[in-house]
Amino acid sequence: DVKVTQSSRYLVKRTGEKVFLECVQDMDHENMFWYRQDPGLGLRLIYFSYDVKMKEKGDIPEGYSVSREKKERFSLILESASTNQTSMYLCASQGDSGANVLTFGAGSRLTVL
Amino acid sequence: QKEVEQNSGPLSVPEGAIASLNCTYSDRGSQSFFWYRQYSGKSPELIMSIYSNGDKEDGRFTAQLNKASQYVSLLIRDSQPSDSATYLCAVRVGQNFVFGPGTRLSVLP
Repeated sequence: DVKVTQSSRYLVKRTGEKVFLECVQDMDHENMFWYRQDPGLGLRLIYFSYDVKMKEKGDIPEGYSVSREKKERFSLILESASTNQTSMYLCASQGDSGANVLTFGAGSRLTVL
Repeated sequence: QKEVEQNSGPLSVPEGAIASLNCTYSDRGSQSFFWYRQYSGKSPELIMSIYSNGDKEDGRFTAQLNKASQYVSLLIRDSQPSDSATYLCAVRVGQNFVFGPGTRLSVLP
């Protein structure tokens, strides 16, 4: 089974801090995604990457950046955290062959004070 | 804007009944459709995928796809309290996956 590991389950940060959310997958998948999930709004795509050093903006990229230096690792960066970025962040991975499905990590719940 | 719509619920059914969850999507070019289950505080997990018109059965779950009408449904037979969760419909659009807001299902003992 594909394993997607998010390094931090719970984080509390202060407004203006720089925040790194790390995601690692172990199945050599090409495609990786970052979503945020908020009550009543569902999952919204922030960024995705289909190869090393490649990235594409999703629906809500403002205030976020990403890094994919190695195939297995996809990082989400909040350059200057704000209270409206308090949310659940979900990383997902997907291969180009086979079942064509998304597999999610356990999620990182970020609170910005 | 590619959209996926679901009734937010909550949908309440008695234990042993059939739960019916529906989803509509706007992009006629979509080819891949998924149902995910999400328990409170957990991440989504895949239940079913469906790619062609008709029904696909897996145990107590049946996914139904009608591309002409642009809807996907999920039937859960013999519903159990452990099925109580939020069910997310997802549609692949190009390289992206677009999710609906989810339907909260409550199975009453």
